[in-house]
Amino acid sequence: EIVLTQSPGTLSLSPGERATLSCRASQSVSSSYLAWYQQKPGQAPRLLIYGASSRATGIPDRFSGSGSGTDFTLTISRLEPEDFAVYYCQQYGISPSFGQGTKLEIK
Amino acid sequence: EVELVESGGGLVQPGGSLRLSCAASGFTFSSYWMSWVRQAPGKGLEWVANIKQDGSEKYYVDSVKGRFTISRDNAKNSLYLQMNSLRAEDTAVYYCARGSGYVIYWGQGTLVTVSS
Repeated sequence: EIVLTQSPGTLSLSPGERATLSCRASQSVSSSYLAWYQQKPGQAPRLLIYGASSRATGIPDRFSGSGSGTDFTLTISRLEPEDFAVYYCQQYGISPSFGQGTKLEIK
Repeated sequence: EVELVESGGGLVQPGGSLRLSCAASGFTFSSYWMSWVRQAPGKGLEWVANIKQDGSEKYYVDSVKGRFTISRDNAKNSLYLQMNSLRAEDTAVYYCARGSGYVIYWGQGTLVTVSS
């Protein structure tokens, strides 16, 4: 089983700032099968990034993903008020798993 | 429009059973892997199980193996999760999801509470 560790647990930033979220895997994620999701309270997750760096349909270009192997990053270039939420990474190999989440809160 | 609607959640005693259903519409159900993902209150996401298009392959997270069974009925465009020997730690919102990799489409979730 691949364990994903996200950091930081909570990130406090202001609108307009840049956010950098990290996801580290316990072993290499094959073929960059790594996705990022955003979740707001009471809602289902929303896919942002798949294949480590491909934006899902309708996702603004301020969201970008990078990385390979065991280290992955989600970057939000300029935070908008609606971006404050919880973010999860997911590896989707044979036995999918999620990270524990990073809460992005308004400073 | 793709729609996934879960049902069957509720309050059950430890050791009890529950069957969740997911009604799918807006896409060719028989062409997709399907999954169940859960989220305990205030906690993160946990993939639970997935099933191949024809039901011939099924995979489970270790914590539910031997207790949960995923199944599907392609004629009824429906996905199921039979949950037996339920434990307090199974308390969660259970989401139906299209696909077995990254998930674009999610249901709204159904809450399962295991408590005496």
